Amino acid sequence: AQSVTQLDSHVSVSEGTPVLLRCNYSSSYSPSLFWYVQHPNKGLQLLLKYTSAATLVKGINGFEAEFKKSETSFHLTKPSAHMSDAAEYFCVVSFDYKLSFGAGTTVTVRA
Amino acid sequence: DAGVIQSPRHEVTEMGQEVTLRCKPISGHNSLFWYRQTMMRGLELLIYFNNNVPIDDSGMPEDRFSAKMPNASFSTLKIQPSEPRDSAVYFCASRNTGGWGNEQFFGPGTRLTVL
Repeated sequence: AQSVTQLDSHVSVSEGTPVLLRCNYSSSYSPSLFWYVQHPNKGLQLLLKYTSAATLVKGINGFEAEFKKSETSFHLTKPSAHMSDAAEYFCVVSFDYKLSFGAGTTVTVRA
Repeated sequence: DAGVIQSPRHEVTEMGQEVTLRCKPISGHNSLFWYRQTMMRGLELLIYFNNNVPIDDSGMPEDRFSAKMPNASFSTLKIQPSEPRDSAVYFCASRNTGGWGNEQFFGPGTRLTVL
């Protein structure tokens, strides 16, 4: 079985400062891991994915995530937050067709 | 590519009425998923189709819910009769199978309100 724990339900940052969203996973198999973003009243958009290639994964809009097997973590970072980054972020672990979603982290960006 | 298309985007109906949600997956994708998102339960998989065949419908809440995929480019999710507790955002997603870690592409969702 696989599951995901997002360690922060809400993160507030100032524009231009780094963003860190923490995710720990549990999986019986080599996992595929994703980060999705959901802006208000929108669908889910894929930010990046890990599928056992490079452990540092670069995504869209300046986001990146590092897969650490020893820590069972897949934290999402961005060096400099922008106002448009305000959204909800989901860490997701996949096995076959099933996605297990974390509870989500809401990001607020202060001007 | 237009992405996954869902209609309607918003639906307001009265309890007891039939509701039909529609989805057009990305061309060439052979898997389609229906999800429901609520504040209380987050994102839940309702049903999964592969090559137009329902593979896993264990997430369908009860017999009031039904889903069809008559061809590779169209799917419906029907609720009959609808109840207030069905109010949620319903997402359709599609992907290509045949590879590990293939991501699902989500549509914009249908926000359903049952009064």
